[in-house]
Amino acid sequence: AQSVTQPDIHITVSEGASLELRCNYSYGATPYLFWYVQSPGQGLQLLLKYFSGDTLVQGIKGFEAEFKRSQSSFNLRKPSVHWSDAAEYFCAVGDWSGTGNQFYFGTGTSLTVIP
Amino acid sequence: DSGVTQTPKHLITATGQRVTLRCSPRSGDLSVYWYQQSLDQGLQFLIQYYNGEERAKGNILERFSAQQFPDLHSELNLSSLELGDSALYFCASSVSPTREQFFGPGTRLTVL
Repeated sequence: AQSVTQPDIHITVSEGASLELRCNYSYGATPYLFWYVQSPGQGLQLLLKYFSGDTLVQGIKGFEAEFKRSQSSFNLRKPSVHWSDAAEYFCAVGDWSGTGNQFYFGTGTSLTVIP
Repeated sequence: DSGVTQTPKHLITATGQRVTLRCSPRSGDLSVYWYQQSLDQGLQFLIQYYNGEERAKGNILERFSAQQFPDLHSELNLSSLELGDSALYFCASSVSPTREQFFGPGTRLTVL
């Protein structure tokens, strides 16, 4: 069955430091991968997506993610974190195999940014 | 602003009651998805519609039902509500079933 694992429940980084959020997936075919961000009391905003092609994808707000098939990973990175990046981050894999389109979300990583 | 709208923003009701949550997808999007987000269960996919037809079902209880209307808006009906149904309910939409989803701001349901 498809699944997504985000090993880090909570991460704290200093403003200006680099960031890497981990995501591992389990999927039998070529995965369609996504990162979303959720600020408190808000909906989920799409940061970036991977469908095919270049394994390093660029997203909004200076985020990027790298797809590594051999490691079944899709880690999110940002070179310099801003205080406004404090939020919950969700990795998701899209399952197109049936007639519908079901997303499987990880449990999320909560990011705290300290001055 | 994703372009997906949900009403109401907040809903407080009692156990045993029935409520209806409404979602309007982004202009041009034919697929609508419903999710439930709670502290203990995380983000759970409930159901998907495409152009009025049900396409995929996730962890949706029998007490819950949904539909998508000809104008493409969708409603999620929750009946015989229990305390454990208190959660954030999100609607998302996509232009087709094989594209990324855009999420609405959610409806926070509190069952007392």
